[in-house]
Amino acid sequence: QLQLQESGPGLVKPSETLSLTCTVSGGSISSSNYYWGWIRQPPGKGLEWIGSIYYSGSTYYNSSLKSRVTISVDTSKKQFSLKLSSVTAADTAVYYCARLLLPEESFDPWGQGTLVTVSS
Amino acid sequence: QSALTQPASVSGSPGQSITISCTGTSSDVGSYNLVSWYQQHPGKAPKLMIYEVSKRPSGVSNRFSGSKSGNTASLTISGLQAEDEADYYCCSYAGISTLVFGGGTKLTVL
Repeated sequence: QLQLQESGPGLVKPSETLSLTCTVSGGSISSSNYYWGWIRQPPGKGLEWIGSIYYSGSTYYNSSLKSRVTISVDTSKKQFSLKLSSVTAADTAVYYCARLLLPEESFDPWGQGTLVTVSS
Repeated sequence: QSALTQPASVSGSPGQSITISCTGTSSDVGSYNLVSWYQQHPGKAPKLMIYEVSKRPSGVSNRFSGSKSGNTASLTISGLQAEDEADYYCCSYAGISTLVFGGGTKLTVL
C-alpha cells in the first residue's frame, strides 16, 4: 500500500527558505499515471494547492506562490521536495504531500502532514 | 486562481441527508468534470471521498454522492452518522495542470 511521509524542519525563521521532503514507499514514484503534489493548511484554515511535479521533472505551481516555490523530484530516492523562499508568518501551516491521480486530478493518498512554523 | 466557494457550516441530525455546495467559475468547475471531495477529521490528513464529480473510491460508503450543475458541484451525504462529522473540501481542476480548493465546510451532526 502506497504511503507518503513528509520530513523537514518544524521551525523556520522569517525571510529564510522552507525545505520539506516527501518520501514515497510501497509503490513507484516513476509511474506515468500520477503526479505528486504539495498542499498546505494554515492553522484553522482551508487547504491550498501549492504545486505538482511529474516524475520527469515537469512542474506546475499555484500562481500566487509561483515566484517563491520550487518543487523537485529524485526518483532514485523515491522522494520529491518543496522549497519555499522568503517565508513569513503567513506561511505557517501544516504541509501535506500527496499523490495526484491522472487523469482524475484527485489526491490519494496523503501523507500525515507536518507543521512548519515561521518564527524568529 | 480564486478559492471555490463553500458554505462555512452545515448541520443535520442522524439519519438525515445534507448537501454541501461548491461554487466555482466557468474556468474550473464549469469547464471540467474533475471535481473531487475530501473529508478531514480534526488533526488528520484529508481523505478522498469523491472524484470526477460523482465517482467513489473503493471503500467509501455509498452514502456519499456527488453531482454538478453548471459552475456548482455538490456533495450529498445520506443517512447521516456521527462519524460523518468533519470538515469537507471540494477541489477542481482549473486547466494547465492547476488545481483549486474550496474554503471548506464544517459538518456538524446534531
